[in-house]
Amino acid sequence: NAGVTQTPKFQVLKTGQSMTLQCAQDMNHEYMSWYRQDPGMGLRLIHYSVGAGITDQGEVPNGYNVSRSTTEDFPLRLLSAAPSQTSVYFCASSYYGGRADNEQFFGPGTRLTVL
Amino acid sequence: SQQGEEDPQALSIQEGENATMNCSYKTSINNLQWYRQNSGRGLVHLILIRSNEREKHSGRLRVTLDTSKKSSSLLITASRAADTASYFCATDGFLIQGAQKLVFGQGTRLTINP
Repeated sequence: NAGVTQTPKFQVLKTGQSMTLQCAQDMNHEYMSWYRQDPGMGLRLIHYSVGAGITDQGEVPNGYNVSRSTTEDFPLRLLSAAPSQTSVYFCASSYYGGRADNEQFFGPGTRLTVL
Repeated sequence: SQQGEEDPQALSIQEGENATMNCSYKTSINNLQWYRQNSGRGLVHLILIRSNEREKHSGRLRVTLDTSKKSSSLLITASRAADTASYFCATDGFLIQGAQKLVFGQGTRLTINP
């Protein structure tokens, strides 16, 4: 199993540009989520999904969109990048079963810089 | 706001010593998890302790949970250089539309000196 994969590993954007961060998992996990990690801030939840076609907002959803058309994929879209979105982004997945507090499997992260 | 808060923010010890990190949280929980993050990598799950458990062991790791004090501790015994990493606690947050979200603390940066 590849586990959770994320692409790209690094990305530099200019303010106002849009892009999609890709996340895929091959463990048939229902629960998938996106976090951003900033120095001294821990991980903050952006959006999450409990299954195909079901998404919801986390703590810091503004400026980001998600969709979940398949169990495997959970892309994160930045519609108009801003310098405040400079961060490291992590995708995670887990078994769900009605609760999100199961062991999370993390991808390697995408380091995004917005100029 | 963060549900879990780790203490200390940074810890530096000599190889072979024990390392203790603490996590405090605000609301009632079902589970508490600990994760490790090596520099530049994603988080890796270490151990999960349920609210009805008081102590759990996994190899050199020992986790305790005190629900009355809303706190947990992670003890790493006989530390090794490879234990150098950041350690995070994570708790299940409040209910949102039937789902729960996992909330992470800010982490403890552990450095093991040879």
